[in-house]
Amino acid sequence: GAVVSQHPSRVICKSGTSVKIECRSLDFQATTMFWYRQFPKQSLMLMATSNEGSKATYEQGVEKDKFLINHASLTLSTLTVTSAHPEDSSFYICSAARGAATDTQYFGPGTRLTVL
Amino acid sequence: KQEVTQIPAALSVPEGENLVLNCSFTDSAIYNLQWFRQDPGKGLTSLLLIQSSQREQTSGRLNASLDKSSGRSTLYIAASQPGDSATYLCAVKGDRGSTLGRLYFGRGTQLTVWP
Repeated sequence: GAVVSQHPSRVICKSGTSVKIECRSLDFQATTMFWYRQFPKQSLMLMATSNEGSKATYEQGVEKDKFLINHASLTLSTLTVTSAHPEDSSFYICSAARGAATDTQYFGPGTRLTVL
Repeated sequence: KQEVTQIPAALSVPEGENLVLNCSFTDSAIYNLQWFRQDPGKGLTSLLLIQSSQREQTSGRLNASLDKSSGRSTLYIAASQPGDSATYLCAVKGDRGSTLGRLYFGRGTQLTVWP
């Protein structure tokens, strides 16, 4: 149990377009979902935390208007990169937790975004 | 602010060697510590999770220890195999205030085991 999927696994887009990444908890309900980005040979950096039915909490330095997060249900959260630019190219990973903040996070397989 | 450091950044060894990967963190107020494995272009696989009250956890050829007061953890891999080649990430979870539930990751140790 505790499987998290992401779609798509890879996406290539032109500069200026918007890209949506989905994160789904397949066999459990996730009250909290987290979005991370990872640059090559760097650690995972938390971008935002989302709770079902409420607005996401963004980390300092992350533009909320650029990285739109919607946690519409207990099994789905989406990250939309708006007006993407080459510097947004990165590996985006989501994780999901059942309930309390200290619950175990289960990680998705990641999405490789390349902006040309 | 919690900072997690992993040493070495990279390690290349022949098959069969026993290995020690190191992780240190600056704030000892942690809920737990977790070791992950990440294969190139893939997500994270959890290897071992140590609660703040525990000293070590074992799974097969892997053993992780935690010294919370000194801010250190080690991951011991016995009898390494080429299939162990991956990046190993250490992460600590905060246990209070604004850090509650947050995971702080190190940059990882990139391990290569050659036959």
